[in-house]
Amino acid sequence: EAGVAQSPRYKIIEKRQSVAFWCNPISGHATLYWYQQILGQGPKLLIQFQNNGVVDDSQLPKDRFSAERLKGVDSTLKIQPAKLEDSAVYLCASSQLQRFYEQYFGPGTRLTVT
Amino acid sequence: QKEVEQNSGPLSVPEGAIASLNCTYSDRGSQSFFWYRQYSGKSPELIMSIYSNGDKEDGRFTAQLNKASQYVSLLIRDSQPSDSATYLCAVSSSGSARQLTFGSGTQLTVLP
Repeated sequence: EAGVAQSPRYKIIEKRQSVAFWCNPISGHATLYWYQQILGQGPKLLIQFQNNGVVDDSQLPKDRFSAERLKGVDSTLKIQPAKLEDSAVYLCASSQLQRFYEQYFGPGTRLTVT
Repeated sequence: QKEVEQNSGPLSVPEGAIASLNCTYSDRGSQSFFWYRQYSGKSPELIMSIYSNGDKEDGRFTAQLNKASQYVSLLIRDSQPSDSATYLCAVSSSGSARQLTFGSGTQLTVLP
């Protein structure tokens, strides 16, 4: 079974620029999560989708971050404009609807904002 | 704000010793508890789950839960250098959203 795919793996941008990340979850996984992991910290949930609907986006900085999951499969996370404090690894994870605790993570995108 | 607290470490133990990792959580309604392992530069992977008070053993790993004290721990027996990683405690939410709150992790180094 193919794992969670993410791209790009690395991205360096200047502050105030925009960036987009892509995620393809494991086939059949209804739930998709985007996490932000700052160095030395645990993953922080940004947004959770169930199929193509948003379950929770309470920790998503909506003035600069946006995310969508079209057709309930692939998802994109966008930051516009980026700030220095957005430098982090952005992890995408997916799970089966009932087994939400068994989350499979992609390799992540390491974002550096200069 | 639901919180999950872990000692950040680093924790160093000699090869063959028992490594003990601890976690406390603030949401009394949480019912499910998990340990994820994250190697340096890699993504987290689920290694243990526990749902009821007491101990749960899986190979060299033992998870312990005390809901009254809001305390979860992970013991690694006969620690190996390959166990060197960051261990993340994760707690399920008590609300309807099926999601996890992660602690900041404890970095473990097993010395040969």
